[in-house]
Amino acid sequence: GENVEQHPSTLSVQEGDSAVIKCTYSDSASNYFPWYKQELGKRPQLIIDIRSNVGEKKDQRIAVTLNKTAKHFSLHITETQPEDSAVYFCAVLFSGGYNKLIFGAGTRLAVHP
Amino acid sequence: EPEVTQTPSHQVTQMGQEVILRCVPISNHLYFYWYRQILGQKVEFLVSFYNNEISEKSEIFDDQFSVERPDGSNFTLKIRSTKLEDSAMYFCASTGSGRRAHNEQFFGPGTRLTVL
Repeated sequence: GENVEQHPSTLSVQEGDSAVIKCTYSDSASNYFPWYKQELGKRPQLIIDIRSNVGEKKDQRIAVTLNKTAKHFSLHITETQPEDSAVYFCAVLFSGGYNKLIFGAGTRLAVHP
Repeated sequence: EPEVTQTPSHQVTQMGQEVILRCVPISNHLYFYWYRQILGQKVEFLVSFYNNEISEKSEIFDDQFSVERPDGSNFTLKIRSTKLEDSAMYFCASTGSGRRAHNEQFFGPGTRLTVL
C-alpha cells in the first residue's frame, strides 16, 4: 500500500547544530520526493525536492539524500537557526495516481538559541 | 509570483449544513487537488481533478464530498452534510503541465473549517 514513515516526530537542537529527518516509503516506482516546511497556521511550503535520477541535492543549508534501493530519503539542515523552527513534512509522489502526494506524519523541529 | 488562493480563510458551520470551499488555482495549471489537515496531524490527500473529472480520490472522499470546476478559474470542494470530524484545514493545490512542473504542487493558504 501507500505508506510514508517519518522519524523523529520531534527534534530539539541548539542553534548552529545540524538536524536530520528521515523518511521511508513503500512504492518502489515513486520518483519524486518533496520536503515541506509548515509554520503554525500556514500552508506547507516546498523547501527542497529530489527526483529519483539523483542521489543528493543541496540548496544552501538544506540538503536531501535519496536511497532508492532502500526506499528512504533524508532532510539535512546545517547551521540551524531559530527561524528553522517549524513542522517539516516529507512526501512521496505515488506512481499509480495523478500526482497524489502522500505525506509523512511530520517532524516538529525546535531550534533553541 | 502567481499563487493559489482560497476563500474563505475560516468557515464556521453547524453540523449537517452544507459548505463550499473555494480555490483559484494558478492560471496555467491543469491538475488540481484537495488535501485536508486535522489539527496537529499530517496532510492527507482527498482528491485529484484533471480534464474536468476526478482522476483519483481517497477513502476520506466519500459521497458527502464533491468537487467542481464551475468556470475557467474556480475549483470548489463541497461537503453536503458536515460532521464534527470534518473540522480541519483544507488545502487546495495545483500543478502545471510540463514535466517538471507536473510534479511540484503549489498549495493555497487553506480554509479552516470548524463544525459545531
